[in-house]
Amino acid sequence: EAQVTQNPRYLITVTGKKLTVTCSQNMNHEYMSWYRQDPGLGLRQIYYSMNVEVTDKGDVPEGYKVSRKEKRNFPLILESPSPNQTSLYFCASSFRLGYNEQFFGPGTRLTVL
Amino acid sequence: KQEVTQIPAALSVPEGENLVLNCSFTDSAIYNLQWFRQDPGKGLTSLLLIQSSQREQTSGRLNASLDKSSGRSTLYIAASQPGDSATYLCAARPFSGGYNKLIFGAGTRLAVHP
Repeated sequence: EAQVTQNPRYLITVTGKKLTVTCSQNMNHEYMSWYRQDPGLGLRQIYYSMNVEVTDKGDVPEGYKVSRKEKRNFPLILESPSPNQTSLYFCASSFRLGYNEQFFGPGTRLTVL
Repeated sequence: KQEVTQIPAALSVPEGENLVLNCSFTDSAIYNLQWFRQDPGKGLTSLLLIQSSQREQTSGRLNASLDKSSGRSTLYIAASQPGDSATYLCAARPFSGGYNKLIFGAGTRLAVHP
């Protein structure tokens, strides 16, 4: 089944403890991105990647890192999480930019205490 | 800068009604517009994708239209059912100033009651 998977789905952590949220797609998509969703602010892009080893900042990149060493994986790294990073995170992918449909993962609900 | 607005923010209807959800965008230079459904605390499910050259797309009881000149898209849901209750999001992909991402509206929260 074609899909975008994220792990973990739920995570409660404490300030400053490094964490990684994994994202994987099995559709051979070139383009992947991360969004966060917050009440009243909607979905905002954090980082995106146009292909392996090509990443760039979105609208709200502060406090996050990403890597794209393989085409299928696009992990989101929080080196030193803070409470303002408590949010619902979504990974998305599409075949390429532009005209292609974006597919979203199931989301990761992160709480930073 | 592209902005996407959805009206109404919330809608409650009895089962069986036909309904229209509205989405407007400020910049008509878009690759496409995509409609999503989001259930509480869950991910986004893609419903329909309309390319900039298209006027409408249909899937089952759903029909989405696109009018770039007026900066509007509508999602029509026929014969609504309680299972249609969810938040519906529209998102535009602009040519410039952010072509690498989708610009989302705030969503319309739909409740269909039996």
